[in-house]
This record gives sequence, structure tokens and C-alpha cells, in this order.
Amino acid sequence: SQQGEEDPQALSIQEGENATMNCSYKTSINNLQWYRQNSGRGLVHLILIRSNEREKHSGRLRVTLDTSKKSSSLLITASRAADTASYFCATFSRGSARQLTFGSGTQLTVLP
Amino acid sequence: SQTIHQWPATLVQPVGSPLSLECTVEGTSNPNLYWYRQAAGRGLQLLFYSVGIGQISSEVPQNLSASRPQDRQFILSSKKLLLSDSGFYLCARLGGQGGSYNEQFFGPGTRLTVL
Repeated sequence: SQQGEEDPQALSIQEGENATMNCSYKTSINNLQWYRQNSGRGLVHLILIRSNEREKHSGRLRVTLDTSKKSSSLLITASRAADTASYFCATFSRGSARQLTFGSGTQLTVLP
Repeated sequence: SQTIHQWPATLVQPVGSPLSLECTVEGTSNPNLYWYRQAAGRGLQLLFYSVGIGQISSEVPQNLSASRPQDRQFILSSKKLLLSDSGFYLCARLGGQGGSYNEQFFGPGTRLTVL
């Protein structure tokens, strides 16, 4: 089964609104990362949050991590049509030989 | 640069035919390399990873194999394709030095359709 599971599976919002996606995982982690994938393309790294961090910002992105609940959230503020993509969380587990385990993703659609 | 090249971009193959997908990477030497498969609308499934030349670890029993003949070259192969091998194949490398060390950089992918 997937280490990371995102919800919702699909999200549709209007341009200018905020989008929140959640991710849950099962094992202890070194860090958690969020990636973005435009349709038919490779993944692009967005942001990394370490296990000893609770919140991190990068531009319009805000990531939170709650290791007690084994969950993370990605908030995109003031969304734009260009933010339409799939978003994946991925975790680096302790002792994992540097393997990332990806969730199944959230498909975000931002309507103009 | 952590650029990753994959080819071909798209491929349509009949069942039972062989497969060879190639990935070459730029950037720091001796990178960890990965092959993933992504089914339509789904997440990524790790197929193989390599920590060095000739060193391949398989994550899932597959009709596929991988090889790393050179430091920056990673090849995904099959002797006989199955319908279930259809998907989007992504090559990735683990980041290089400094702040990108924990990130994975992805190639553009190969869309494989087995008919």
C-alpha cells in the first residue's frame, strides 16, 4: 500500500481561492516532500519539510507537518489557473536507502 | 544542472515485443537513480533503483529489468511486453549537493502503450 495518501483525490476551485491538500503516512520519516505534476509531464519538487519542523513557507505555498498524527497539509494561497496539476506528497523513511514513497496524489483544477 | 533525459517520449508496442527505455542524467557523479511507473491518474510505483554502476535493486516483481552500464545511464528493459506494462515511465535521480540532496529530479517521462 502507499505510504502517503492524499485527500481529496480531486479538488476544483475558483481562481483566487485557497487550495488545501492533505497527506497521511504510516512510518517514521526523515522528511516529507510535495511534488507537482502537470499532465503528461515529470514531477517537479515544490517544498521539503523536515521531521523536526512544523511549518514551512515558500511563496504561495504553506506546508504543515504533524508527526504525532503522521499527516501533512499543503496550502496554495490565491490560486491561479496555472496551478492546475496533480500534487503528490512523498516521504523519506528512516533507513530507506534514500527511497521516496509517493502517495496517489490530488488532482487540483483551478477554474479561471 | 540536474537535467534528466528520457527517450523515446512516446512508444506504442505490440504484446510480446521487447522494450528498451533509456535515461541519462547530468549533474553530480554517482547519483542514485530510479525508475517509476505511473498508471493513468495514479501515484508512482517504484520499480528499480540503483546506487551505482551495475547495482540494481528491484522493488516489485515485474516483467521488467533494469541495468546501469554507466554512471549516468539507466536502462529499463523487457524481453516480452505484457498489456499490463502500459503506463507512464519516469526516471529520476536523487539530488546532488547542498540543499537539493533530498530532492528527486525527474525526467520528462515515456508514455508506453502496449497493444
